[in-house]
Amino acid sequence: AQSVTQPDIHITVSEGASLELRCNYSYGATPYLFWYVQSPGQGLQLLLKYFSGDTLVQGIKGFEAEFKRSQSSFNLRKPSVHWSDAAEYFCAVEWGVTGGGNKLTFGTGTQLKVEL
Amino acid sequence: DAGITQSPRHKVTETGTPVTLRCHQTENHRYMYWYRQDPGHGLRLIHYSYGVKDTDKGEVSDGYSVSRSKTEDFLLTLESATSSQTSVYFCAISREGSEQYFGPGTRLTVT
Repeated sequence: AQSVTQPDIHITVSEGASLELRCNYSYGATPYLFWYVQSPGQGLQLLLKYFSGDTLVQGIKGFEAEFKRSQSSFNLRKPSVHWSDAAEYFCAVEWGVTGGGNKLTFGTGTQLKVEL
Repeated sequence: DAGITQSPRHKVTETGTPVTLRCHQTENHRYMYWYRQDPGHGLRLIHYSYGVKDTDKGEVSDGYSVSRSKTEDFLLTLESATSSQTSVYFCAISREGSEQYFGPGTRLTVT
């Protein structure tokens, strides 16, 4: 069965510092992978996605993620964090379902705190 | 932003009462999903729909039912609410082969 692990529940970084959020997945086929961000009291916003091709994908707000098949990982990075990046981040893997569509399995999330 | 609305946005109800949450989209997307979000669990899929009147169960479907009589509306019903169903519920939509877009959520408290 597919699963997603985000080993860090909470991460605190200083504003301007670099950031890496870890995500490991378990899935038998070629995965489609996503990172979403959730600000307090809000819905989820898509940061970036990996479907195929270049293993380094660029997203919105200056985020990027690298797919490493050998490590079953899809870590999210940002070179310089801004205070507005404080939020909860979710990694997700997609797999096919009856009738088509894309069913997502989410990790448990990483809460990012940014110190000024 | 994807045209997804959820109603109500907040609801408090008593144990044993029926509750219906509505998801409405203006994007004409084929696929719609209901998730619940709980601390320490991330988001978990309750039910999804792949077309009008076509629905199937997700990983946490017990105690929930859904209906989709129109492309734009996907209803989630708790037949007899329990305290374990206190949660934040999110609707999502997608096109074929594309990512999911999420609504703003409904916070449900069952007392």
